[in-house]
Amino acid sequence: AQSVTQLDSQVPVFEEAPVELRCNYSSSVSVYLFWYVQYPNQGLQLLLKYLSGSTLVESINGFEAEFNKSQTSFHLRKPSVHISDTAEYFCAVSRTSYGKLTFGQGTILTVHP
Amino acid sequence: SQTIHQWPATLVQPVGSPLSLECTVEGTSNPNLYWYRQAAGRGLQLLFYSVGIGQISSEVPQNLSASRPQDRQFILSSKKLLLSDSGFYLCAWSEVGGAYNEQFFGPGTRLTVL
Repeated sequence: AQSVTQLDSQVPVFEEAPVELRCNYSSSVSVYLFWYVQYPNQGLQLLLKYLSGSTLVESINGFEAEFNKSQTSFHLRKPSVHISDTAEYFCAVSRTSYGKLTFGQGTILTVHP
Repeated sequence: SQTIHQWPATLVQPVGSPLSLECTVEGTSNPNLYWYRQAAGRGLQLLFYSVGIGQISSEVPQNLSASRPQDRQFILSSKKLLLSDSGFYLCAWSEVGGAYNEQFFGPGTRLTVL
């Protein structure tokens, strides 16, 4: 079975500063990797995903994540955050052969002015 | 395009009362359906998933049950709520045989058991 560890439960940061949200996974088979974002009292929205190919994936709002197979990591980064990025972020993994997702515990990103 | 609905949006129920939360998906056929619970500081816990009408798999033993009476309808129920059932309940769907296992989430139901 796979598992996901998000190393930081909360990350406070000032506006326009860079941020990295860390995610490590364990799996004995090939996986797909996802980052979801959840704004207060809303459902989860897909932010970006790694399926295959280039190990660096980007979202439309400036986030990027890099798949590192040797370190089994999929950290999420943004070079300059905005107040509107304040949300909870979830890393998730699924085996390529089977549909269920396993989620990390979430990281609450709080951007201060 | 596909959409997913959940209702009610919020619910306050006394301990021992019954529960019924509903989820419906539009714009797709025969989706995989999922119920998650999100408790404060505990991430997302998969409760049930369904690959077809009447087919329910339970992930954890609990006070809840799920049913899928129609292809795009998924219901979460309880006969008697416990305080520990409080949380944010999320329904999600994914394509059957979808190559990438991406799940799409509904807006959620906030349940408070008093």
